[in-house]
This record gives sequence, C-alpha cells and structure tokens, in this order.
Amino acid sequence: NAGVTQTPKFQVLKTGQSMTLQCAQDMNHEYMSWYRQDPGMGLRLIHYSVGAGITDQGEVPNGYNVSRSTTEDFPLRLLSAAPSQTSVYFCASSYLAGGLYEQYFGPGTRLTVT
Amino acid sequence: EDKVVQSPLSLVVHEGDTVTLNCSYEVTNFRSLLWYKQEKKAPTFLFMLTSSGIEKKSGRLSSILDKKELFSILNITATQTGDSAVYLCAVIRGGADGLTFGKGTHLIIQP
Repeated sequence: NAGVTQTPKFQVLKTGQSMTLQCAQDMNHEYMSWYRQDPGMGLRLIHYSVGAGITDQGEVPNGYNVSRSTTEDFPLRLLSAAPSQTSVYFCASSYLAGGLYEQYFGPGTRLTVT
Repeated sequence: EDKVVQSPLSLVVHEGDTVTLNCSYEVTNFRSLLWYKQEKKAPTFLFMLTSSGIEKKSGRLSSILDKKELFSILNITATQTGDSAVYLCAVIRGGADGLTFGKGTHLIIQP
C-alpha cells in the first residue's frame, strides 16, 4: 500500500494564479481531509469529506474548494492564490466507523505564493 | 470555542533524560485524544486515548488520559537524539469534522 500520496511536493505560485493540490489514498478510507500547517499555529482543518460526493468546511475554508468524486481522491483547489496561503498542506485519511479514528497523513505539499 | 493547549511549547534536554509533555483540552462532545510525532515531514501516529486512566505504552513512550481533569501527558523515558521532533496533541469530537490540534511541543534532545 502506498498509503496517502500528495502531489506536488513543492509549488511556487504568483498571486492570483490557481492550482490544484492532488491527494489520493489506497486504504479504502471513507474519511479524507485537508489541513494547513503554519509556524506557531499548528495544523488547521480546511475541508473534509465523509465519503464520495460529500464535502464540508473546516476551520479555515476561505479561498479553497474541494470535491470528492471517488473514494480514493480528494483534490484541493486554490481559486486565486494569495500570499496568506503560503503554507504546508497535508492531506489525511481515516476509517469512519461510528466516528473518527486516527488519521494517516500524506507527505505534504509546501506552497509558496509570491 | 474548542481549545487544545500543549505545554511546554519547546523543551531542550540531554540524552537519557525523561520528559513529560502536557496537553489540556476544552472541547464539546469529546471522543478521543491522539498524539503524533512530526519530524520535518508528515505527522506519524503514536497513540489514541479514549478511556480515562488507561496507560498506552510503546517502548519508551507512554501516555495517559484524565477525562475528569481534561488533560493528557506523553512520557518519554531514556530519551535519544532520534526523539527530537515536534509532538502534536489532537482531539476528536463526536462528529466527523476532523481533528483539533494543539500547537505542538518542540522537543530537542542534546547528545
């Protein structure tokens, strides 16, 4: 099993550009989520999904879109990049059996917006 | 507002020392508390604690949860330089809206 994979590993964008961060998991987990990690702020939840076709907002959703067309994939779209979106982005997945369990994280994408 | 507070935020000790990391929480509909280790890459899972007073142990690491006082501790005995990392505490609520993380404890083990 590859676990949770993310691409790209690094990305530099100019302000106003859009892009999609890819996330895939091969563990048949129902639950997938996106976090951003900033120095001194810990990890904060952007969006999450409890299954294909179902998504919801987390703590810091503004400026990001998600969709979940399959169980395996959960892409994160930046609509119009801003310097405040410079961060490390982690995708995570988990079983969902009567509640959440420990989440498994991908390797992260380091995004810089200039 | 839900809160997860870790202390200390940073800690420097010598190899062989024992350390105790703290995590206190105030969340609605608490379900479980998790500890992760992060070494310049993705967080890796250490423990999930759901029941109060039951110690989870893995080698030199152990953790316990006190649901009455709303805190957990992570102990590391006989520390090694490979234990240097950021240790993250997170709480799961009864819903499905993800984990709420503390800011982490940055642990540095000096040889």
